[in-house]
Amino acid sequence: AQKVTQAQTEISVVEKEDVTLDCVYETRDTTYYLFWYKQPPSGELVFLIRRNSFDEQNEISGRYSWNFQKSTSSFNFTITASQVVDSAVYFCALSENQGGSEKLVFGKGMKLTVNP
Amino acid sequence: NAGVTQTPKFQVLKTGQSMTLQCAQDMNHNSMYWYRQDPGMGLRLIYYSASEGTTDKGEVPNGYNVSRLNKREFSLRLESAAPSQTSVYFCALNGRGGWGYTFGSGTRLTVV
Repeated sequence: AQKVTQAQTEISVVEKEDVTLDCVYETRDTTYYLFWYKQPPSGELVFLIRRNSFDEQNEISGRYSWNFQKSTSSFNFTITASQVVDSAVYFCALSENQGGSEKLVFGKGMKLTVNP
Repeated sequence: NAGVTQTPKFQVLKTGQSMTLQCAQDMNHNSMYWYRQDPGMGLRLIYYSASEGTTDKGEVPNGYNVSRLNKREFSLRLESAAPSQTSVYFCALNGRGGWGYTFGSGTRLTVV
């Protein structure tokens, strides 16, 4: 069965620090998708990135970067020069096709607090 | 969130009462999902529907029923609410190939 582990439950940093959020996943499938979502205090889920299992290229989007390593089943997320607005809960998730149906499984989330 | 409408946004129930959470989409996606979010637990799948007229259990289906009578709507029913069902409920859609999951804005349910 698919599983997503976010070992860190809560991190607190000071503004401008870099922070890396770890994500380790388990799946038996060769085709799957990995996601990161942000949930700010307002509660909505904000899509950050989707990566398919065949694309191991790292990605950078502004201050955000993602490192996907199939060899270690990890999909880590780094925020460079963190800002107060980055304070949120971040979820890593795995989507897999089981029996013809796509299902998204979430990690338990990691609460990031960025202090001024 | 564009394309997914959840109602109501907030609800307080007494133990034993029933209610239905509604989810409607205008994105013409086949797959729809209901998740619940509890502190420290992430989002857990309650039920999902791969297409109109089909539903399947997720990780935490006990105490819930669902209905997918048409492509647009996927409802979640609590027949006899319990305090353990106090949670934030999210409806989600998915297009093909895990391309993109779209989430509703959530329903905050409190059972007293």
